[in-house]
Amino acid sequence: GQNIDQPTEMTATEGAIVQINCTYQTSGFNGLFWYQQHAGEAPTFLSYNVLDGLEEKGRFSSFLSRSKGYSYLLLKELQMKDSASYLCAVVNQAGTALIFGKGTTLSVSS
Amino acid sequence: EPEVTQTPSHQVTQMGQEVILRCVPISNHLYFYWYRQILGQKVEFLVSFYNNEISEKSEIFDDQFSVERPDGSNFTLKIRSTKLEDSAMYFCASSGRLTSGADTQYFGPGTRLTVL
Repeated sequence: GQNIDQPTEMTATEGAIVQINCTYQTSGFNGLFWYQQHAGEAPTFLSYNVLDGLEEKGRFSSFLSRSKGYSYLLLKELQMKDSASYLCAVVNQAGTALIFGKGTTLSVSS
Repeated sequence: EPEVTQTPSHQVTQMGQEVILRCVPISNHLYFYWYRQILGQKVEFLVSFYNNEISEKSEIFDDQFSVERPDGSNFTLKIRSTKLEDSAMYFCASSGRLTSGADTQYFGPGTRLTVL
């Protein structure tokens, strides 16, 4: 079966750092993506991890531990425009599909 | 920057009618996908398509659904007889050649389908 868990909601203030966790149990694994989705819009690519460790890209970093079935997305120097849903998605073994979690809605306040 | 486009942005239809949702993937991409997102719920995989055939489909993608690449640029999703529960945002996505791991899937802006 496929199970991807993320917290439903998080809140933070401008300038702060927030970590959004994702745990997964899937029948196959070929990498993990993080996408950002503003309300009513398409998911947009943030990061991809297939090997254990940290990937850094500007204000955003993502970490993967395959043995623990765990990833996190770290957002630094939060801005109001970072208020959005953050979607954790696991790639199936064949690389032919993304299996999404329910997403974490982040609200950034001033 | 190349992007995935979708038409129409919003489609309203009566239950039982057929609808065709259209997508133009990024031009040099080889893999195409459809996902749907019911309001307030998670993004769900429907189908992936490569080399003019379905690579994988989910349980949602039953006999009412079909996909086609009618020419070198368009990729369509047809729902033969729509049901109320088909109301959702439908996203098309495309990706390049598979390397080790998976290539990034880029999503179009979506078509909001409303079935009355």
